Amino acid sequence: GEDVEQSLFLSVREGDSSVINCTYTDSSSTYLYWYKQEPGAGLQLLTYIFSNMDMKQDQRLTVLLNKKDKHLSLRIADTQTGDSAIYFCAESRLSGGYNKLIFGAGTRLAVHP
Amino acid sequence: DAGVIQSPRHEVTEMGQEVTLRCKPISGHNSLFWYRQTMMRGLELLIYFNNNVPIDDSGMPEDRFSAKMPNASFSTLKIQPSEPRDSAVYFCASSFISGQGVHQPQHFGDGTRLSIL
Repeated sequence: GEDVEQSLFLSVREGDSSVINCTYTDSSSTYLYWYKQEPGAGLQLLTYIFSNMDMKQDQRLTVLLNKKDKHLSLRIADTQTGDSAIYFCAESRLSGGYNKLIFGAGTRLAVHP
Repeated sequence: DAGVIQSPRHEVTEMGQEVTLRCKPISGHNSLFWYRQTMMRGLELLIYFNNNVPIDDSGMPEDRFSAKMPNASFSTLKIQPSEPRDSAVYFCASSFISGQGVHQPQHFGDGTRLSIL
């Protein structure tokens, strides 16, 4: 299919790690992104990974990319209540001569004490 | 640095009225995107401008929607006449794309929450 797919909900306990998974469709995607959306706000760029990388770490965030399976994951270490938000995965897909962002439906992360 | 600035933040109007949404991209960015977000359809790209020129408007729902970018620091999205099904959050995003195809990530504004009664 043409969709970027994510699970809709994830609930974790404060202090635990969160892993949000995503599958994308275009094996030629050059960049893959994770955005965070808090209530009433826009999409905040969290991190992105170039397609020739397997992993990228940025403080509490770790992105893993499996190109063979077209699978992307975002791990948040020591999850805090402030991490509660919707997380969007997006792939950069060449379409009409430019790189178009195709978004998943978003994963709602709920962090409880 | 200032991010992408959108106005108004909220708009409530009656069906049939004209609605104009505004966006100021990040200074130095040459690409601007308008998106619509709804529960049913998620995030949809409406239109993409590069160097103030519309490149892809295939996502614009119908002729009631129009977008302009008169200069590098301003864009509008207009709906005329508006209908209840246009109710959504509209986002503007900007980025820099070089001639060699190297691109930077898109940065989003906080959106305009539009309600058509």
